[in-house]
Amino acid sequence: QVQLVESGGGLVKPGGSLRLSCTASGFTFSDYYMTWIRQAPGKGLEWLSYISMSGGIIYYAESVKGRFTISRDNARNLMFLQMNSLRVEDTAVYYCARVAESKHWYFDLWGRGTLVTVSS
Amino acid sequence: SYELTQPPSVSVSPGQTARITCYGEALPRQYVYWYQQKPGQAPVVVIIKDSERPSGIPERFSGSVSGTTVTLTITGAQAEDEADYYCQSADRSGTSGVFGGGTRLTVL
Repeated sequence: QVQLVESGGGLVKPGGSLRLSCTASGFTFSDYYMTWIRQAPGKGLEWLSYISMSGGIIYYAESVKGRFTISRDNARNLMFLQMNSLRVEDTAVYYCARVAESKHWYFDLWGRGTLVTVSS
Repeated sequence: SYELTQPPSVSVSPGQTARITCYGEALPRQYVYWYQQKPGQAPVVVIIKDSERPSGIPERFSGSVSGTTVTLTITGAQAEDEADYYCQSADRSGTSGVFGGGTRLTVL
């Protein structure tokens, strides 16, 4: 079954850290760019970061640059998002998604999301 | 930072045509993609590369471009099309993704 499953969300205090994981199955993970996207409660979608097939190309949104780190392990079909210095405004559902084409960055497969709550 | 601008809401009666616009200064140099998101669900792409329909998406969904504005059209909207719709593209450099603020479509 072709799917993405996020894990690692939870409650964390401001200034804390959390690492999210995205497990891919049913397709050749190493053939695709991947991305993280989040959605604050009742708000719209916000793109966060891309990682290329090998991990050699990485881009971040300005809102998370320097605090979040994207990475992947193709041998285990996993992608990660290390989140440091978390802020209340980072509270959101975090989705991992597959980038459909390396030259056209749209997202054809999404996970169900994992909720991150940053609160004291 | 680069922005895509959508109307917050659009309302149509069943069977009518719904049009949702998305404005961006970098358009049409960058393609636009459209996503449908129903409550409690992950988004689903309904239009790719401005006007192409992925397999499995009903023919009533279409996309068009006019200068710096792209439009998602749902011809003969149905109750099941009630959802939030987001346009998505990239900035001029192609290194940053961006979503529009989303449009809530009401079919009532």
